[in-house]
Amino acid sequence: AQSVAQPEDQVNVAEGNPLTVKCTYSVSGNPYLFWYVQYPNRGLQFLLKYITGDNLVKGSYGFEAEFNKSQTSFHLKKPSALVSDSALYFCAVRDIGDRKLIWGLGTSLAVNP
Amino acid sequence: KAGVTQTPRYLIKTRGQQVTLSCSPISGHRSVSWYQQTPGQGLQFLFEYFSETQRNKGNFPGRFSGRQFSNSRSEMNVSTLELGDSALYLCASSSTGGSDGYTFGSGTRLTVV
Repeated sequence: AQSVAQPEDQVNVAEGNPLTVKCTYSVSGNPYLFWYVQYPNRGLQFLLKYITGDNLVKGSYGFEAEFNKSQTSFHLKKPSALVSDSALYFCAVRDIGDRKLIWGLGTSLAVNP
Repeated sequence: KAGVTQTPRYLIKTRGQQVTLSCSPISGHRSVSWYQQTPGQGLQFLFEYFSETQRNKGNFPGRFSGRQFSNSRSEMNVSTLELGDSALYLCASSSTGGSDGYTFGSGTRLTVV
């Protein structure tokens, strides 16, 4: 069965420090992988996706993610965190043969000034 | 171009009542998906419509239903509301059925009392 795990409910980093939000997945075939961000009382905003190609994917707002097939991971990263990055981050996976997105439970990122 | 529009933004209903939520996708997008978001369960897939046909359905009871019109606008209906139906309901549209990612609306916050 397809699944997504975000092992950390909350991540705290200081402004200016690098940040990592972790995601691991399980699918039967080749995955489509996504990261979304949600600000309070808002819908989700698309950050980046991996379909195929280069394992390092660059997205919006300076975020990037690295696809690691052997570790079945797709961690979200940013070299220098901003206070405005504080939000809820969701990882999602879709099997290439399916259309349903399976979502992680989200990681709350708090960037402290 | 206009984003995904969900109406209403907030709703308060009484147990046993029914409710209809509306979603207008981005112009040209033919795929509309619905999700229920709660703090405990995260994002749960309800259903997906493409060109007026439901082509995917999540594990929700039959009280949850939806439809899509010829202009791609979609509605979801919940009958015989229960307290546990209180949630943020998110609509997402896509031009490709999801492989390029989804654009989400801001959601409808439903409170059942």
